[in-house]
Amino acid sequence: NAGVTQTPKFQVLKTGQSMTLQCAQDMNHNSMYWYRQDPGMGLRLIYYSASEGTTDKGEVPNGYNVSRLNKREFSLRLESAAPSQTSVYFCASSELLARSYNEQFFGPGTRLTVL
Amino acid sequence: QQPVQSPQAVILREGEDAVINCSSSKALYSVHWYRQKHGEAPVFLMILLKGGEQKGHDKISASFNEKKQQSSLYLTASQLSYSGTYFCGTANFGNEKLTFGTGTRLTIIP
Repeated sequence: NAGVTQTPKFQVLKTGQSMTLQCAQDMNHNSMYWYRQDPGMGLRLIYYSASEGTTDKGEVPNGYNVSRLNKREFSLRLESAAPSQTSVYFCASSELLARSYNEQFFGPGTRLTVL
Repeated sequence: QQPVQSPQAVILREGEDAVINCSSSKALYSVHWYRQKHGEAPVFLMILLKGGEQKGHDKISASFNEKKQQSSLYLTASQLSYSGTYFCGTANFGNEKLTFGTGTRLTIIP
């Protein structure tokens, strides 16, 4: 099993460009998450999907959109990238959001730089 | 609210014990602990639920204080491989998404 996979691993964008970060999991998990990690600020939740067909805003959703394409895939889109979106983006999944006993499994991350 | 972790950084010698704290302004329903090595993804360590149930690593344990507003993570007989940044993720209710702290950097030296 590959677990949680993310593409691309690295990306450099110019201000105003758009891109989509892809995430897929093969653990048959119901819940998926997108986090961003900035130095000294820990992991901040951007959006999450408690189950297939649902998405909800997290702590820092502005400037992002998401799509839960199917149970396996959850993508994050930056419509018009800004330098403030330079960060490391992690996708994660867990069996079920509604049970706090379920650990989250993280992908390897995407390192995004916006010039 | 983002939980507060302490200390921010600690250096220990191999074999020493480590304690990392995670504090919230409200009572906690669950606390998740993750370790992240430089340039890698966070990796699950353990979960502590308000009833005291724990799920996770053999050599790692955790507890709540009396008010359940603080959790402490205990690493016994630390090994070089324990080095990394430790994050707690907290939920105040059973169906809540996690809010992560800013991390504690642990360095184990020989």
